[in-house]
Amino acid sequence: KAGVTQTPRYLIKTRGQQVTLSCSPISGHRSVSWYQQTPGQGLQFLFEYFSETQRNKGNFPGRFSGRQFSNSRSEMNVSTLELGDSALYLCASSFSGGGSYGYTFGSGTRLTVV
Amino acid sequence: AQSVAQPEDQVNVAEGNPLTVKCTYSVSGNPYLFWYVQYPNRGLQFLLKYITGDNLVKGSYGFEAEFNKSQTSFHLKKPSALVSDSALYFCAVRAYSGAGSYQLTFGKGTKLSVIP
Repeated sequence: KAGVTQTPRYLIKTRGQQVTLSCSPISGHRSVSWYQQTPGQGLQFLFEYFSETQRNKGNFPGRFSGRQFSNSRSEMNVSTLELGDSALYLCASSFSGGGSYGYTFGSGTRLTVV
Repeated sequence: AQSVAQPEDQVNVAEGNPLTVKCTYSVSGNPYLFWYVQYPNRGLQFLLKYITGDNLVKGSYGFEAEFNKSQTSFHLKKPSALVSDSALYFCAVRAYSGAGSYQLTFGKGTKLSVIP
């Protein structure tokens, strides 16, 4: 079956702009989590969506937001971009929150803020 | 709060030799533990997980991990390293965050270099 699809793969944005990233989970998976990966901070949890509801949010400013659609596809949005937002953004798909079946990650979106 | 420690930033091993990448964890309750591998400019690729059962878990590409509850460790091992195993390895623990949600907490990662 198809894996987790993240689009776009690469993005270059200017400070102050906003950006929207997309994640299509594995068919049948209802949970989508987002992580930010930077060289300095490593992998950090952003938020998790399950059945169109945000169940959990990490320690990130309100500029970071997301949503999930009825088909489980998820988007995350970052407004008023800062240089420090440059990172690899990873989406993880799971059946119910990473239980017996674990998590499957997409290839990520590399965001560069200039 | 949960945490994961990978004490070695880098591990170098000769091709054909056994390799070990270390991981220790701290979490309330029974741990769900994972190992992922990341190649340059790629996402995380699942290697193996421990949920319950045998302490020795076998995973993809010949990797295995040993769960040790008393030492709160989950070290990744492979009997014979390949050059193609060179990558960044992450250990993670799944922890309950409330409201029916779980999240992964990752270690900082260990860069494995296999020398021909």
